[in-house]
Amino acid sequence: GAVVSQHPSRVICKSGTSVKIECRSLDFQATTMFWYRQFPKKSLMLMATSNEGSKATYEQGVEKDKFLINHASLTLSTLTVTSAHPEDSSFYICSASTLAGGHNEQFFGPGTRLTVL
Amino acid sequence: EDQVTQSPEALRLQEGESSSLNCSYTVSGLRGLFWYRQDPGKGPEFLFTLYSAGEEKEKERLKATLTKKESFLHITAPKPEDSATYLCAVRLRDAGNNRKLIWGLGTSLAVNP
Repeated sequence: GAVVSQHPSRVICKSGTSVKIECRSLDFQATTMFWYRQFPKKSLMLMATSNEGSKATYEQGVEKDKFLINHASLTLSTLTVTSAHPEDSSFYICSASTLAGGHNEQFFGPGTRLTVL
Repeated sequence: EDQVTQSPEALRLQEGESSSLNCSYTVSGLRGLFWYRQDPGKGPEFLFTLYSAGEEKEKERLKATLTKKESFLHITAPKPEDSATYLCAVRLRDAGNNRKLIWGLGTSLAVNP
């Protein structure tokens, strides 16, 4: 149980284009989803927290107009990197959490490697 | 300031050589400590959640323990497939429903055959 998928796993795009990454909880309903960014050999950097049906809460320093997050259902959240630039190249990982059973664990997707040329 | 510190930063073991990884925390109210394993190029894999001092959890060769100031991840007789980065994170007690975690920088473990 507690499987989270991400799509695509890898994307290469030209500078100035927008890229959408999907995160799905496959076997549970995720009341909260998180989006992280990870640089090589570094730990996870939280970008934003989203609850189903409400606006995402962005961490300090994360541009909400550049990183658009939509949490349309209890099993799907999307991150759109708008007008991507080379400095946006990174490993993006989502996680999903449920309140069911009082659990606090976050279950992670496999990640998306974004390369902006 | 709420902080999570993991040590050592990197650890190299011989197969079968048991050891422990440390996660120390200074937070204003702990609402769960989490251990994850991350392989290169993949998302973290959930291992354990610990909620109160004295709690212990085991899974195969791994055992996690918790005190009021730190957690240990004990690895008994490790195998090369245990090589990975082990991440520790804590959730804070807060007034709202903030489920944000504070992450350590991880311990990179390499187990030689």
